[in-house]
Amino acid sequence: AQSVAQPEDQVNVAEGNPLTVKCTYSVSGNPYLFWYVQYPNRGLQFLLKYITGDNLVKGSYGFEAEFNKSQTSFHLKKPSALVSDSALYFCAVSNYGQNFVFGPGTRLSVLP
Amino acid sequence: AAGVIQSPRHLIKEKRETATLKCYPIPRHDTVYWYQQGPGQDPQFLISFYEKMQSDKGSIPDRFSAQQFSDYHSELNMSSLELGDSALYFCASSFETDYNEQFFGPGTRLTVL
Repeated sequence: AQSVAQPEDQVNVAEGNPLTVKCTYSVSGNPYLFWYVQYPNRGLQFLLKYITGDNLVKGSYGFEAEFNKSQTSFHLKKPSALVSDSALYFCAVSNYGQNFVFGPGTRLSVLP
Repeated sequence: AAGVIQSPRHLIKEKRETATLKCYPIPRHDTVYWYQQGPGQDPQFLISFYEKMQSDKGSIPDRFSAQQFSDYHSELNMSSLELGDSALYFCASSFETDYNEQFFGPGTRLTVL
């Protein structure tokens, strides 16, 4: 069975500073990894995914994530945070498209 | 670009009533997923359909059923509603060969009184 962990319930960062939202996973076989963002009262929005290829994946709104197989991690990063990035971020893993599992979410607050 | 459509957006029901949620996937998408997100919780996978057949099953209660129709839209039927069923219900769609990148609808907020 696969699982996703997001060790931080809350991440606070000052506007303009780099941000990192952590994600580790457990899956048998090759993982498909995703990041989604949820703004208040909105649906989940796709940010980026890793299927194969370069370990550094670039996505929407200036976000990127680095796949690290040895550490089974897929941390979300952004070089310079914006106040509008404040939202709930979910990491998800899929085993060849089956059993799509979400992490518990991390609330990001970017302070002006 | 067209997105996933869910209706209704809000629904209020009483205990023991039934509810039907509808999901219209992005055109050409052949796979539909249903998720339940309780207050302060991460989305929990309920069930999915590919080409009108159930493809995967998660933590869907026996009181719930779902199906995908010939036009690929899907309906989630919920019976004998309980207070704990109050949640945001998301539908997502994907094109099977597109590495299952899922596009989510805006959700239906169900409140059970």
